[in-house]
Amino acid sequence: NAGVTQTPKFRVLKTGQSMTLLCAQDMNHEYMYWYRQDPGMGLRLIHYSVGEGTTAKGEVPDGYNVSRLKKQNFLLGLESAAPSQTSVYFCASSSHQAQGYEQYFGPGTRLTVT
Amino acid sequence: GNSVTQMEGPVTLSEEAFLTINCTYTATGYPSLFWYVQYPGEGLQLLLKATKADDKGSNKGFEATYRKETTSFHLEKGSVQVSDSAVYFCALSDPNRDDKIIFGKGTRLHILP
Repeated sequence: NAGVTQTPKFRVLKTGQSMTLLCAQDMNHEYMYWYRQDPGMGLRLIHYSVGEGTTAKGEVPDGYNVSRLKKQNFLLGLESAAPSQTSVYFCASSSHQAQGYEQYFGPGTRLTVT
Repeated sequence: GNSVTQMEGPVTLSEEAFLTINCTYTATGYPSLFWYVQYPGEGLQLLLKATKADDKGSNKGFEATYRKETTSFHLEKGSVQVSDSAVYFCALSDPNRDDKIIFGKGTRLHILP
């Protein structure tokens, strides 16, 4: 039982390049989330999904796209990377909503855009 | 809108000292409240939670009580250890927004041996 895994762990991009971050969970969770973490800003929600085939915008969605083609996977895409997207990205998942549910986090992807 | 405010860090304490990290929230409805911990180089993990007023969450010697009258969820530990050095996030789940979690900005804790 690996929990939530993220690929890759580190990446350096040049401005304008594209990439996809992969999140996988083996807990059969319905909900999945992508956050970014920046110094002094806490965690900010980029996009989330409440089930296979669904996505929704979070707090800071601009410049990112997501897809949830399979229940266990949630992909985050950067079509044209910008230096402002330098950050640590975390994926999380949770079971279907009930008061007090817990989100399980992956180890993070550190992305640098030069 | 809903929000979480926690004390800014860093907080530096000596081993075996008493710890309090303050957290207050603004919310409509009846949110659940959480404390998450992030150790260096890792993702966040749930430390404790409380789902209704007057509930006390506890784990690993940490405690927090859901105080609706003061809209607070302060984290406490009676005797901290060096291994408690981490960043602590207070958070609430918003039942009006797909139960998405709203995080505070985090408090970095340093424990000196």
